[in-house]
Amino acid sequence: EAGVAQSPRYKIIEKRQSVAFWCNPISGHATLYWYQQILGQGPKLLIQFQNNGVVDDSQLPKDRFSAERLKGVDSTLKIQPAKLEDSAVYLCASSLESSGGYTFGSGTRLTVV
Amino acid sequence: DAKTTQPTSMDCAEGRAANLPCNHSTISGNEYVYWYRQIHSQGPQYIIHGLKNNETNEMASLIITEDRKSSTLILPHATLRDTAVYYCIVRVVGNQFYFGTGTSLTVIP
Repeated sequence: EAGVAQSPRYKIIEKRQSVAFWCNPISGHATLYWYQQILGQGPKLLIQFQNNGVVDDSQLPKDRFSAERLKGVDSTLKIQPAKLEDSAVYLCASSLESSGGYTFGSGTRLTVV
Repeated sequence: DAKTTQPTSMDCAEGRAANLPCNHSTISGNEYVYWYRQIHSQGPQYIIHGLKNNETNEMASLIITEDRKSSTLILPHATLRDTAVYYCIVRVVGNQFYFGTGTSLTVIP
């Protein structure tokens, strides 16, 4: 079984620029999550999708962050404009259903300078 | 918010059992105990979970106290590849996982 694929692996941008991350979940996994992990902390949920619908985006900073999962498969997370405090690893995870355990991707490490 | 308390760091000699404790004194009857680990530069990896009974799989054993207020993850024969941050999480099935800061386990040669 292929894992959760994320790209790019690393990204360095200047503050106020825009950036997008891509996630391809495990085939057949209906639930997809984006997490933000700041250095030295545990991952924090940003948004949860069930198929192509948003289940929970209460912790997503909607003034600058957006996410979509148009066809219920791949997902993109965008930050526009980026701030220095957005420097973190952005992790995507998927599960067969919301009651199951998660499989995480390796993440995208974002550095905002 | 994370509802668990774990030591910040632990060391374990290679080949010995690693016992990682977790306190979850406010756990509810319908909350499971999950363990994940995160090796450097990788995403978290599922290890094991349980509700009341002790559980064992190919990676580890989970011992939950009778009152369910604490648990211990046991890696029976730690290897250098087990060096990672270990997260103990309590979760109602269907809810999101809340990650704390975990225990940083270092396996020493």
